[in-house]
Amino acid sequence: KAGVTQTPRYLIKTRGQQVTLSCSPISGHRSVSWYQQTPGQGLQFLFEYFSETQRNKGNFPGRFSGRQFSNSRSEMNVSTLELGDSALYLCASGQGASGNTIYFGEGSWLTVV
Amino acid sequence: AQSVTQLGSHVSVSEGALVLLRCNYSSSVPPYLFWYVQYPNQGLQLLLKYTSAATLVKGINGFEAEFKKSETSFHLTKPSAHMSDAAEYFCAVSDQGNAGNMLTFGGGTRLMVKP
Repeated sequence: KAGVTQTPRYLIKTRGQQVTLSCSPISGHRSVSWYQQTPGQGLQFLFEYFSETQRNKGNFPGRFSGRQFSNSRSEMNVSTLELGDSALYLCASGQGASGNTIYFGEGSWLTVV
Repeated sequence: AQSVTQLGSHVSVSEGALVLLRCNYSSSVPPYLFWYVQYPNQGLQLLLKYTSAATLVKGINGFEAEFKKSETSFHLTKPSAHMSDAAEYFCAVSDQGNAGNMLTFGGGTRLMVKP
């Protein structure tokens, strides 16, 4: 069974631009969550989607948004990029119930210059 | 809000020695607890998880962890370190009352294994 797939793996953007990252969950998984990983702040939860609805949201500004499609694929968008948005963005999928294992993709490395 | 503390951002052991990575959580009720490992330039891989069944949990690659409610701890151990264990390890919690898959992570512990 294919794992969680994230695209693109690496990208470089300029301050002020916007970026869209994509995540394809494991087949049958209805929950997709996103995390930001930086050396300074560690792993931080961004948001979780379940059946196309945002179910949980972390403490990030409104520039960070996401959505989930009917096939459970998800995208996250960051608008008006700042240097501090440079990070590894990890997507994880699961079946959705609390305590279920969530499986991570390899991440999208975003560099903002 | 829940929090997770991993004591020691870097731990160094010799090959064949005991590995002990510490994790303490703060939660009003016992949460679900997880240990993940991250190898360079990769995502996170689940080592093991505690979901209120047995307090001693066995995971992959010879790792195990014991849930101790009185100490609010979930330390990760492996009897004998191997060079391939060198990686970063993350402890995470999920609130049992939270309908979802939101994890709160500790700061991580980088394990170095000396030959």
